[in-house]
Amino acid sequence: AQSVTQLGSHVSVSEGALVLLRCNYSSSVPPYLFWYVQYPNQGLQLLLKYTSAATLVKGINGFEAEFKKSETSFHLTKPSAHMSDAAEYFCAVSDRSGATNKLIFGTGTLLAVQP
Amino acid sequence: IAGITQAPTSQILAAGRRMTLRCTQDMRHNAMYWYRQDLGLGLRLIHYSNTAGTTGKGEVPDGYSVSRANTDDFPLTLASAVPSQTSVYFCASSPGLAGNEQFFGPGTRLTVL
Repeated sequence: AQSVTQLGSHVSVSEGALVLLRCNYSSSVPPYLFWYVQYPNQGLQLLLKYTSAATLVKGINGFEAEFKKSETSFHLTKPSAHMSDAAEYFCAVSDRSGATNKLIFGTGTLLAVQP
Repeated sequence: IAGITQAPTSQILAAGRRMTLRCTQDMRHNAMYWYRQDLGLGLRLIHYSNTAGTTGKGEVPDGYSVSRANTDDFPLTLASAVPSQTSVYFCASSPGLAGNEQFFGPGTRLTVL
């Protein structure tokens, strides 16, 4: 069965510092991978997704993620944190071999940005 | 374009009562989903529908039922609410093909007392 593990339920960075949110997946076949962001009291919004076109994926708001098959990882990064990046971030995996588009979500990482 | 709407925004419900959470999308997406979000557990799939007229069980379907009479609407019903169903519920939709992103509604915060 597919699964996603997000290391670190809470991450705190200073404004202007590097953001690194970790995601490791478990899948028998190369999956589709997604990062979503959730701002307080809102639904989830797609940041970026990996569908095999390129291993380095660029998303909205300056975020990017790199698919590393050898490490089964899809970590999310941003060079310089902004106060507006404070939110909860979810990594998700979708089964490439299936005919449906069900997503399996990680437990989330809450990012705090300190001034 | 509204995308996905959910109603109500929030609700306090007595245990044992029946409740239907409404979800409507205007993107003509084939697939729709219901998730519940609980602290420390992320989002867990309750039920899904790949296309109008079909539904399937997700990870945590017990105590919930859904129907998909048309493309746009995907209501979630709690036949007899219990306190463990206190959660935030999100509806989502997607074109349905593997790899497509899911689009999420704003959520319904449900408290069962």
